[in-house]
Amino acid sequence: AAGVIQSPRHLIKEKRETATLKCYPIPRHDTVYWYQQGPGQDPQFLISFYEKMQSDKGSIPDRFSAQQFSDYHSELNMSSLELGDSALYFCASSPPGGTYNEQFFGPGTRLTVL
Amino acid sequence: AQSVAQPEDQVNVAEGNPLTVKCTYSVSGNPYLFWYVQYPNRGLQFLLKYITGDNLVKGSYGFEAEFNKSQTSFHLKKPSALVSDSALYFCAVRAPSAGGYNKLIFGAGTRLAVHP
Repeated sequence: AAGVIQSPRHLIKEKRETATLKCYPIPRHDTVYWYQQGPGQDPQFLISFYEKMQSDKGSIPDRFSAQQFSDYHSELNMSSLELGDSALYFCASSPPGGTYNEQFFGPGTRLTVL
Repeated sequence: AQSVAQPEDQVNVAEGNPLTVKCTYSVSGNPYLFWYVQYPNRGLQFLLKYITGDNLVKGSYGFEAEFNKSQTSFHLKKPSALVSDSALYFCAVRAPSAGGYNKLIFGAGTRLAVHP
């Protein structure tokens, strides 16, 4: 079965650089979520999109932005990177039906900021 | 505010013995509860969920969880542990917000170690 695809899997950046993370949801899933998991931490919700519109916003810094495109893939854009942005970034998607559906997670992008 | 607590950082179990990973929750309104497992350098894999109905929920890989409203708990259980069950387990609650019931709020995670 198709899963959530994230690219790249690993990314190394310098401080103050920018990064773009991509997420391709499972086909026919209409909602995409982004989470950040710091070392030894639980995943923290950043932002979500439903049918290409932002549906919810969590603890996402102003330096980050995201969007969902017409093909439902999503990109998380991160600017002015800081050392503390080093983390595992997960994308998840869920099928139509909303509240009751589980979120299916991708393998994550490990971002290291030097 | 919605929250989930996993009181144990680590649970150690001998292979073949039953295991329990504890989770308690605090939500306003109906709780939508989930268990996920994370293997090293991997994403989160869905195990099971409670939305409504039977308090005993069966999920993947022989896991089950019992929803207890009076104790606000949703403990994960398995009758006979396998070494391959060793991983990090997260309990999560679907939290309502302005945009609907979108985000998952996770507990801190419990590391399960199953010894041969």
